[in-house]
Amino acid sequence: KAGVTQTPRYLIKTRGQQVTLSCSPISGHRSVSWYQQTPGQGLQFLFEYFSETQRNKGNFPGRFSGRQFSNSRSEMNVSTLELGDSALYLCASSLAGPGQGTGELFFGEGSRLTVL
Amino acid sequence: AQSVTQLDSQVPVFEEAPVELRCNYSSSVSVYLFWYVQYPNQGLQLLLKYLSGSTLVKGINGFEAEFNKSQTSFHLRKPSVHISDTAEYFCAVAGGYQKVTFGTGTKLQVIP
Repeated sequence: KAGVTQTPRYLIKTRGQQVTLSCSPISGHRSVSWYQQTPGQGLQFLFEYFSETQRNKGNFPGRFSGRQFSNSRSEMNVSTLELGDSALYLCASSLAGPGQGTGELFFGEGSRLTVL
Repeated sequence: AQSVTQLDSQVPVFEEAPVELRCNYSSSVSVYLFWYVQYPNQGLQLLLKYLSGSTLVKGINGFEAEFNKSQTSFHLRKPSVHISDTAEYFCAVAGGYQKVTFGTGTKLQVIP
């Protein structure tokens, strides 16, 4: 069974641009969560999607958005990039939704974004 | 609300020595507990999990953890570490309808 796939793995953008990151969950998994990881702030929760609906949201500005498609694939978008958005963005999938299952997450390798 | 505290941000240990990485949690509901490991430039992978039953849980690579409900702890241990164990370790808690909550991570540095 294929794992969680994130694309692209690496990308470089300049301030003010926007970026879209993609995540394909493990087949059969319906929940996708996104995390931002930086050396200073550690692992921070962005949002969680289940059945195409955002179920939980972290404390990030509105420049950060996401969506989930009917096939459970998810994308996140960051608009008007700032230097501080440079980070490793991790996607994780799980079999069940909020309040269901055990909460075990399966992570992708991440997308490393550098903002210049 | 639930929270996870990893008391040590960095733990240096000599190769073949034992190690314990500490994790304490708080939650108002019954929880599931996890330890994840992250190697450089990679995502997180599950090391072990406590769902129910025996409080001593064994995971991959010789790691084990003990769930202590009265002390709300889930410390990770390995009797003899190897260079390849150098990585960052995250404790996480899940329960109810809340999102999975991660600790701030502990960097294990194994010294040859």
